[in-house]
Amino acid sequence: AQTVTQSQPEMSVQEAETVTLSCTYDTSESNYYLFWYKQPPSRQMILVIRQEAYKQQNATENRFSVNFQKAAKSFSLKISDSQLGDTAMYFCAFMKTIGSEKLVFGKGTKLTVNP
Amino acid sequence: GAGVSQSPRYKVAKRGQDVALRCDPISGHVSLFWYQQALGQGPEFLTYFQNEAQLDKSGLPSDRFFAERPEGSVSTLKIQRTQQEDSAVYLCASSMDRGRYYNSPLHFGNGTRLTVT
Repeated sequence: AQTVTQSQPEMSVQEAETVTLSCTYDTSESNYYLFWYKQPPSRQMILVIRQEAYKQQNATENRFSVNFQKAAKSFSLKISDSQLGDTAMYFCAFMKTIGSEKLVFGKGTKLTVNP
Repeated sequence: GAGVSQSPRYKVAKRGQDVALRCDPISGHVSLFWYQQALGQGPEFLTYFQNEAQLDKSGLPSDRFFAERPEGSVSTLKIQRTQQEDSAVYLCASSMDRGRYYNSPLHFGNGTRLTVT
């Protein structure tokens, strides 16, 4: 079974600064997908960024980028130029490419952006 | 509607009562998922539908939990004889693609917060 670990329960950053959220996972699969989701107080999960394991190039989406280290099974999220609206829970998630459609989530990191 | 709609937003049930949680996915979305999110935890998979077919129910924690999507659109998650450990946020998500939703993103609703007293 796959597991996802987020070792930082809470983090804070000053507005306009850069912050990195950590995620490690365990799987015997060779190909899979990894995701970062944001959950504001409204509870709606919002996709931030996605990485396909067979792609070596790290994904980027505007101010959000990942550092994907497949051998180390590490998938960290970097948020540049942090904004107050980035304050939320962030969840790392794993999905197999074949045989299952479900996402396996970590426990989350609560990020607070301070003015 | 513009997004996935879930109702009610909040539900308080006394232990032993039955509850029904509703999910209206985005029109035309084939795939529909239910997740359970306990306080301070990440969401955990409950069940998955492709149209009206329930293809995976491996995450349902007990036979008190039942989900249906009879016409391939609206889905209902029913919990019988609720217990305190059922207290959680129940999230619904839908996707356009036939299960390969990693090529089309999941859209989540705002969830139903269930409190069992």
